Amino acid sequence: KAGVTQTPRYLIKTRGQQVTLSCSPISGHRSVSWYQQTPGQGLQFLFEYFSETQRNKGNFPGRFSGRQFSNSRSEMNVSTLELGDSALYLCASSLYFAGANPSTDTQYFGPGTRLTVL
Amino acid sequence: DAKTTQPNSMESNEEEPVHLPCNHSTISGTDYIHWYRQLPSQGPEYVIHGLTSNVNNRMASLAIAEDRKSSTLILHRATLRDAAVYYCIPQNYGGSQGNLIFGKGTKLSVKP
Repeated sequence: KAGVTQTPRYLIKTRGQQVTLSCSPISGHRSVSWYQQTPGQGLQFLFEYFSETQRNKGNFPGRFSGRQFSNSRSEMNVSTLELGDSALYLCASSLYFAGANPSTDTQYFGPGTRLTVL
Repeated sequence: DAKTTQPNSMESNEEEPVHLPCNHSTISGTDYIHWYRQLPSQGPEYVIHGLTSNVNNRMASLAIAEDRKSSTLILHRATLRDAAVYYCIPQNYGGSQGNLIFGKGTKLSVKP
């Protein structure tokens, strides 16, 4: 079974631009979560989508948004990029939304998209 | 969300057992304890999780203290490929709806 794929793997943008990142979950997985990883803040939860609905959102400004399609693929968008948005953006997929079945909850992460904002 | 305390770093020799400790004294009775690891230049990878009793899988063992305030991830024979940052995550199903809250983790180095 193919793992979680993220595209593109690397991206360079300038301040003020916007960017869209894509995530394809493992086949059959219906939940996609997004995380931001920076050297200073570590791994931080952005949001989770399940069945095309945002279930939970982390503490990030409204410039960060996402969506999920009927095939469970997800995109996240960052508008008006700032230098501090430079980070590794990771997505993770799981069968169900977080908390649906605690005994079997496992998230599978993709390799990430490295975003550099100049 | 339960707070965790892990050593910043640990060293091990190849083919020796490694015990990675984690304190989570504020854990609630329904929080599962998850361990993930992140190898260099990769996304995090699930290792193991448990609630009360000890758990084993092909990657590792998880020993959970009786009071659940601490746990230990055990790698039975460390290999060079086990060099990674290991995260202990009490998964909160009451407050943050179960999403993973990563701390700083323990950076494990494995010497040949």
